[in-house]
Amino acid sequence: NAGVTQTPKFRVLKTGQSMTLLCAQDMNHEYMYWYRQDPGMGLRLIHYSVGEGTTAKGEVPDGYNVSRLKKQNFLLGLESAAPSQTSVYFCASRDGTPEGYTFGSGTRLTVV
Amino acid sequence: KQEVTQIPAALSVPEGENLVLNCSFTDSAIYNLQWFRQDPGKGLTSLLLIQSSQREQTSGRLNASLDKSSGRSTLYIAASQPGDSATYLCAVRPNGDYKLSFGAGTTVTVRA
Repeated sequence: NAGVTQTPKFRVLKTGQSMTLLCAQDMNHEYMYWYRQDPGMGLRLIHYSVGEGTTAKGEVPDGYNVSRLKKQNFLLGLESAAPSQTSVYFCASRDGTPEGYTFGSGTRLTVV
Repeated sequence: KQEVTQIPAALSVPEGENLVLNCSFTDSAIYNLQWFRQDPGKGLTSLLLIQSSQREQTSGRLNASLDKSSGRSTLYIAASQPGDSATYLCAVRPNGDYKLSFGAGTTVTVRA
């Protein structure tokens, strides 16, 4: 089925460990986004990409890195995980229309 | 910095009652406003998008209004059903940008 797939769905990390979250879309969308969602807060933009090979910082980029080597994939990396990065992470892609957002089902990350 | 607020944070109503969800934003220089639905453990699904030049948008039992000058939007859901139970988020897109600012959401429970 067409859509946005996030891998993994759940993960527990120890403080200081690193990991990469993978987002894959098969809709040929140019725009891709990484958000985090914390209790009582709206989704906050971490990084985004407007096309293959491009990335840009969002609202809360510190502690994260991203890469968009292929159009269909957008990777979010945590080099040295901290408990403050415990959150649910959502990836989204968008076609050229304002309302054309497709969200993945999220990755629940716990850093202990 | 755009601040988006949704009140109330949670709402419980009996089946058949009309729902009224509120969203307010601090910067009226918006390009559009979008309402999303989020089911537990799932991503976001776009419900309605209102352009800044529009006053309202309708889809089935859903109606969203926008008063840009006062920084408010309201989502009405008529004749609520248990299947409407979810979290509803509003998001605004500013002029000259395509990054969304989200509210924290209103969690709705419709009791059968």
